[in-house]
Amino acid sequence: SQTIHQWPATLVQPVGSPLSLECTVEGTSNPNLYWYRQAAGRGLQLLFYSVGIGQISSEVPQNLSASRPQDRQFILSSKKLLLSDSGFYLCAWSPPGDRGLNIQYFGAGTRLSVL
Amino acid sequence: AQSVTQPDIHITVSEGASLELRCNYSYGATPYLFWYVQSPGQGLQLLLKYFSGDTLVQGIKGFEAEFKRSQSSFNLRKPSVHWSDAAEYFCGVAGNNRKLIWGLGTSLAVNP
Repeated sequence: SQTIHQWPATLVQPVGSPLSLECTVEGTSNPNLYWYRQAAGRGLQLLFYSVGIGQISSEVPQNLSASRPQDRQFILSSKKLLLSDSGFYLCAWSPPGDRGLNIQYFGAGTRLSVL
Repeated sequence: AQSVTQPDIHITVSEGASLELRCNYSYGATPYLFWYVQSPGQGLQLLLKYFSGDTLVQGIKGFEAEFKRSQSSFNLRKPSVHWSDAAEYFCGVAGNNRKLIWGLGTSLAVNP
């Protein structure tokens, strides 16, 4: 069966420090991968998604970037964190070639506090 | 434009009472619809999905949802709510380019 791992679960970082959040998927090949941010009371904001290695689509201009160095690895990064980067970050995956059904499966999330 | 609206930001029900969470969508083609649940500090879990066929779909944890094309709705229901159902509920529709379009969520509180 497929599983998704996301770490760390909690992170406290000072303003201006770098960021690296990692997400890996097991039990499938060539998944679609997603990074979301969730701010309190504001629903789910899609940040990046990827349909393959090295293929990254950015949904909103921001202080963050994403990379997919391996088929089942998705990394969210920042060179210098801002206070506004605080939030709950979720990684998700969906099966490739699913005829547009796009069922997404989520990791447990990372709570990022920038102080 | 494709969109999902969850009109109720917050709902409180008593344990044992019935529940209905509303979801309205705007989508040009036949929609693929989803409901997810998020417990505090956790990721999202798929409750149920509608792709085609029977408009009443059954999900996990005793939830069901009914697709009504004429009303562009996909409301989530449960006959008897348990305290463990307190969570955030998200409705979504599959959009273009392998993305989901999300509602802003409904927060459910359950009174003992």
